[in-house]
Amino acid sequence: DAGVIQSPRHEVTEMGQEVTLRCKPISGHDYLFWYRQTMMRGLELLIYFNNNVPIDDSGMPEDRFSAKMPNASFSTLKIQPSEPRDSAVYFCASSFGVLPLHFGNGTRLTVT
Amino acid sequence: AQKVTQAQTEISVVEKEDVTLDCVYETRDTTYYLFWYKQPPSGELVFLIRRNSFDEQNEISGRYSWNFQKSTSSFNFTITASQVVDSAVYFCALSLVETSGSRLTFGEGTQLTVNP
Repeated sequence: DAGVIQSPRHEVTEMGQEVTLRCKPISGHDYLFWYRQTMMRGLELLIYFNNNVPIDDSGMPEDRFSAKMPNASFSTLKIQPSEPRDSAVYFCASSFGVLPLHFGNGTRLTVT
Repeated sequence: AQKVTQAQTEISVVEKEDVTLDCVYETRDTTYYLFWYKQPPSGELVFLIRRNSFDEQNEISGRYSWNFQKSTSSFNFTITASQVVDSAVYFCALSLVETSGSRLTFGEGTQLTVNP
């Protein structure tokens, strides 16, 4: 049974460039979450979806961040334009109802 | 709002020692879940346990045990006879039963280093 799959594992980009992170949740899960991990702020929730519908995006830091879930098996998190302070590890996680979250391996983003 | 506090930023022990990781939480809700996740050096987040706020029974799984006390709003995690492979960052987290899905509020994490 495949877990949550994130791509790419590592992304290095220059300030001002567009960055797109991708996530494939576990099949059958109806919730999808995007978290960001930094040394300063720890693990913080950015946005989550239920049945492909965004429920709460209050954690999205700025309008430069956007997330979509066009179908039950795919989600993207886009940063445009990227800035050095966006450097972090971005985790995608999925769950079925209130069952525990399963996390992907994360995408380590470095913006120079 | 919910809050999870892990006061121990870093703990260092020698192999075979027992170690307890502290977790204190705040919530006004009466129904909630508490979690522990492990983040090894490779970076992934691994689910360890979930407890329901109605179930204060302690739990043991091999060398791991958890002590849940509502009276002190604590959910502590003990590793018995620690091993080098236990070295990781451990996160305590909380989610509300009433809200949608397992929306987690994480603590700051405790870096555990087990030395040979």
